[in-house]
Amino acid sequence: AQSVAQPEDQVNVAEGNPLTVKCTYSVSGNPYLFWYVQYPNRGLQFLLKYITGDNLVKGSYGFEAEFNKSQTSFHLKKPSALVSDSALYFCAVRDSSNYQLIWGAGTKLIIKP
Amino acid sequence: DAGVTQSPTHLIKTRGQQVTLRCSPKSGHDTVSWYQQALGQGPQFIFQYYEEEERQRGNFPDRFSGHQFPNYSSELNVNALLLGDSALYLCASSLAVGTGGSEQYFGPGTRLTVT
Repeated sequence: AQSVAQPEDQVNVAEGNPLTVKCTYSVSGNPYLFWYVQYPNRGLQFLLKYITGDNLVKGSYGFEAEFNKSQTSFHLKKPSALVSDSALYFCAVRDSSNYQLIWGAGTKLIIKP
Repeated sequence: DAGVTQSPTHLIKTRGQQVTLRCSPKSGHDTVSWYQQALGQGPQFIFQYYEEEERQRGNFPDRFSGHQFPNYSSELNVNALLLGDSALYLCASSLAVGTGGSEQYFGPGTRLTVT
């Protein structure tokens, strides 16, 4: 069965510091991995994805994520956090032979000035 | 370039009633997926439509049904509403590239309240 875990309900980071939002997954085949961000009263916005190739993926707004097959992880990172990065972040995974996207419960990211 | 649009924005229904939610995909997209997002949780996959057919279904009862039209727009129908159906319903569109490598673009959602 496919599953996604985001172990932290909330992550607090000071502005200007690096941030990491964690995600681990379980799929039976090759994983397609995604990060989305949800701002209050707005829809989900795509940040980045890993399908194949380079393990370090760069996305929107300066975010990047590293695919680690041995640890089945896909952590979201940013070198220097902005207050405007405060939002709810979701990790999602899909098996390469499947259309169903499985989502984590979300991590609330709070960036303090 | 219009993104994904959904209507209505909000809806209040009574238990046992039926509801229809509508979605227009992003221009150029041919695949529509529907999700249910309860408060404080991640989205749950309901089903996906491609070429006017339900391509895959998540763990939702038959009370949830859908349709895709030739212009790729889609409807989600829920019959015999239960209190537990209260949630944000999200529509997402994408391109049918292989079996799922393309990202999905989401609409703002329809907030359904069942009383």
